[in-house]
Amino acid sequence: EIVLTQSPATLSLSPGERATLSCRASQTISNYFAWYQQKPGQAPRLLIHGVSNRATGIPARFSGSGSGTDFTLTISSLEPEDFAVYYCQHNTNWPHTFGGGTKVEIK
Amino acid sequence: DVQLVESGGGLVEAGGSLRLSCTASGFTLTNAWMSWVRQAPGKGPEWVGRLTAKAEGGTKHYAAPVEGRFSVSRDESTNTLYLQMSSLKSDDTGVYFCITSTIPGAWDSWGQGTLVTVSS
Repeated sequence: EIVLTQSPATLSLSPGERATLSCRASQTISNYFAWYQQKPGQAPRLLIHGVSNRATGIPARFSGSGSGTDFTLTISSLEPEDFAVYYCQHNTNWPHTFGGGTKVEIK
Repeated sequence: DVQLVESGGGLVEAGGSLRLSCTASGFTLTNAWMSWVRQAPGKGPEWVGRLTAKAEGGTKHYAAPVEGRFSVSRDESTNTLYLQMSSLKSDDTGVYFCITSTIPGAWDSWGQGTLVTVSS
């Protein structure tokens, strides 16, 4: 099973600041890699698929990058609605797994 | 628009059984890859099971913690996905989401989830 390790666990930032979230895989994974955003009481929402492609309706301030075992989600300038938990997830093989999450909180 | 609506959650004693349903609209469930994902309170999402499209064999895969106890199936006539759960344990407590993939390698449509609570 591929293990995804996200860092940091918590990111304390102010609106307008840049957020950089990391996800490291225990082995090389394919480009079937995604990021999700989850707010309290809601289902996760797909943000990024195929490492760097924004899902429908996702603002341009969200971007994804990486390859192999290291992947990054960047939020260029945090808006109030961006404070949430973010999960990375791979679809290289079964079982698909999620990372443990990074909580982006208001500083 | 794709829509997924789960139902069937509730409180059940350890060792008991429960069947979750996911009614799909806006697409033909048989043609899609479907999965069940669960989320324990305060934890991240965890995969439960996956069912490939009928044209790709309708193959079923299960996560190790539920292998042999859970079963995924679908009803073409009602466009409904099921998760039959048996020998339930307290660790199975959580919100169960029905999800589908219309983008290769990503799961872009999620239901609202249904809460399963297993009492010990």
